[in-house]
Amino acid sequence: DTAVSQTPKYLVTQMGNDKSIKCEQNLGHDTMYWYKQDSKKFLKIMFSYNNKELIINETVPNRFSPKSPDKAHLNLHINSLELGDSAVYFCASSESGTSGSLGFYNEQFFGPGTRLTVL
Amino acid sequence: GQSLEQPSEVTAVEGAIVQINCTYQTSGFYGLSWYQQHDGGAPTFLSYNALDGLEETGRFSSFLSRSDSYGYLLLQELQMKDSASYFCAVKNYGQNFVFGPGTRLSVLP
Repeated sequence: DTAVSQTPKYLVTQMGNDKSIKCEQNLGHDTMYWYKQDSKKFLKIMFSYNNKELIINETVPNRFSPKSPDKAHLNLHINSLELGDSAVYFCASSESGTSGSLGFYNEQFFGPGTRLTVL
Repeated sequence: GQSLEQPSEVTAVEGAIVQINCTYQTSGFYGLSWYQQHDGGAPTFLSYNALDGLEETGRFSSFLSRSDSYGYLLLQELQMKDSASYFCAVKNYGQNFVFGPGTRLSVLP
């Protein structure tokens, strides 16, 4: 079974539309993340979220919002899509705090990515 | 500010040894990690260093010097399948992860 899954794998849409990307993890982790990887392969964190805290990267436009119905899911909603939003979006999960085997580190497990193209 | 620096590209031949360096400047530091990403794939975890020194995992080793804000990933006995991008990443006191720009490794026959 896939540890971290995302849907859809590809998403092509017009400027101005609103879209969502879904993410699910079956690892029992309590922290999930969204990353954006641009065409130059820069990987930037957008959000990290667990039951207690949402940490937002201040550079992320408020058109992007994470929604978590439960701790196994963290969906990404994007309003009023712009050309610059075209990228690959990765969901990831990890244990939190010091519960992981690596202490404070917490290895992240990434989903397969969603390639978003805004026309 | 927070920044990590890595060489953009490295090329080596099969069977060789290659070292990918990473220097960092972040607000707080819990450790340096390394991820591998093949074209079209997702990043996968390789190693983590919280303390100074060398950590060895099979053909891959990772080194950290906290006083120098520097680390490296050492890949030995290179194989064609090692051709990929390699990212260093730091977890900072804000509980967020900052990734380096990535190093594209090309392994030639």
